[in-house]
Amino acid sequence: NAGVTQTPKFQVLKTGQSMTLQCAQDMNHEYMSWYRQDPGMGLRLIHYSVGAGITDQGEVPNGYNVSRSTTEDFPLRLLSAAPSQTSVYFCASSDLSSGELFFGEGSRLTVL
Amino acid sequence: DAKTTQPPSMDCAEGRAANLPCNHSTISGNEYVYWYRQIHSQGPQYIIHGLKNNETNEMASLIITEDRKSSTLILPHATLRDTAVYYCIVRGNTGGFKTIFGAGTRLFVKA
Repeated sequence: NAGVTQTPKFQVLKTGQSMTLQCAQDMNHEYMSWYRQDPGMGLRLIHYSVGAGITDQGEVPNGYNVSRSTTEDFPLRLLSAAPSQTSVYFCASSDLSSGELFFGEGSRLTVL
Repeated sequence: DAKTTQPPSMDCAEGRAANLPCNHSTISGNEYVYWYRQIHSQGPQYIIHGLKNNETNEMASLIITEDRKSSTLILPHATLRDTAVYYCIVRGNTGGFKTIFGAGTRLFVKA
């Protein structure tokens, strides 16, 4: 099993550009989520999903869109990147019964 | 969602037990206590979780008070590789599944 796979690992954007961070898991987990982590800070929840076709907002959803068309994939879209979105982004998944989150390796995004 | 309170940092001598406290005074009856740790800039790693009974696995022990308002994560023999940020989280396993991380405790294990 690959677990949770995030791509790309590194990305540099200019202000106003759009992009999608990809997240895929091969554990058939119902729950998937996206976090951002700024330097020296904890993780903040952006969006989460409890199954295909179901998404909900977390603590800091503004500026981000998500969709969940399959159980495996949960992409995070930045519609118009801003310097304030410079951060490390983590995707995580779990099955609903155990609640144990499995994290990807992170995607480091810099917005100039 | 219940919030948790943890000390911002702690020190521990290598080979000694590290006891990391967490307060969760507003925890609901169906909410579990989870512990994760984050080493350097890696993704957080699950350690252990529990509802009301004490739990132990190969990594750590979790002690939950009888009133469930606080808990302690115990690393029985801390090593330098246990230096990390430790997060205590409360999360329900029915209904609301979203997992909110706080600031955590930065544990420094010293030789």
